[in-house]
Amino acid sequence: AQSVTQPDIHITVSEGASLELRCNYSYGATPYLFWYVQSPGQGLQLLLKYFSGDTLVQGIKGFEAEFKRSQSSFNLRKPSVHWSDAAEYFCAVGPSGYSTLTFGKGTMLLVSP
Amino acid sequence: EAGVTQFPSHSVIEKGQTVTLRCDPISGHDNLYWYRRVMGKEIKFLLHFVKESKQDESGMPNNRFLAERTGGTYSTLKVQPAELEDSGVYFCASSQGTGVHEKLFFGSGTQLSVL
Repeated sequence: AQSVTQPDIHITVSEGASLELRCNYSYGATPYLFWYVQSPGQGLQLLLKYFSGDTLVQGIKGFEAEFKRSQSSFNLRKPSVHWSDAAEYFCAVGPSGYSTLTFGKGTMLLVSP
Repeated sequence: EAGVTQFPSHSVIEKGQTVTLRCDPISGHDNLYWYRRVMGKEIKFLLHFVKESKQDESGMPNNRFLAERTGGTYSTLKVQPAELEDSGVYFCASSQGTGVHEKLFFGSGTQLSVL
């Protein structure tokens, strides 16, 4: 069965600093990988996805993620964090695209002034 | 265009009571999903409707949970009787199709607290 590990429960980053959120997955085949963000009072919003092809994918709000098959990782990055990025971030894997996703436990991002 | 709407946003009930959560998907979306996040744990898949039919209900925890989607529009998730471990956030999501590139749209969730 597939699984997703997000090792960091909380991360605090200074505004303007770079960000990397870690995600490791376990899945037998080529995975479909996703990053979602949940801001307070909002639903889960898709940041980006990897299905195939270029292993560096660009998403919304200036985020990017890199798929590394050898490390079973799909880390999320942003070069300069804004206060509005404070939210909870979820990595997910799907065996057949978007349906029946398996999520990680989430990483709460706090942005300090 | 309206997004996925969930009612209520919060619900506090006592153990043994019944609670019904509602989800209105985006108009025209045949696929509707329920997910749940228990505090401190992963968001977990509960079930998937295609129109009014249950396509996959492998994630439903037990028979205290009943999901319906009459007419293939909105869906309800009833918990009867509620137990303490049912507390968490219940998310609904919808998509037009189930192809690999069919984007999933999530509601903001219902926070259920069972006391």
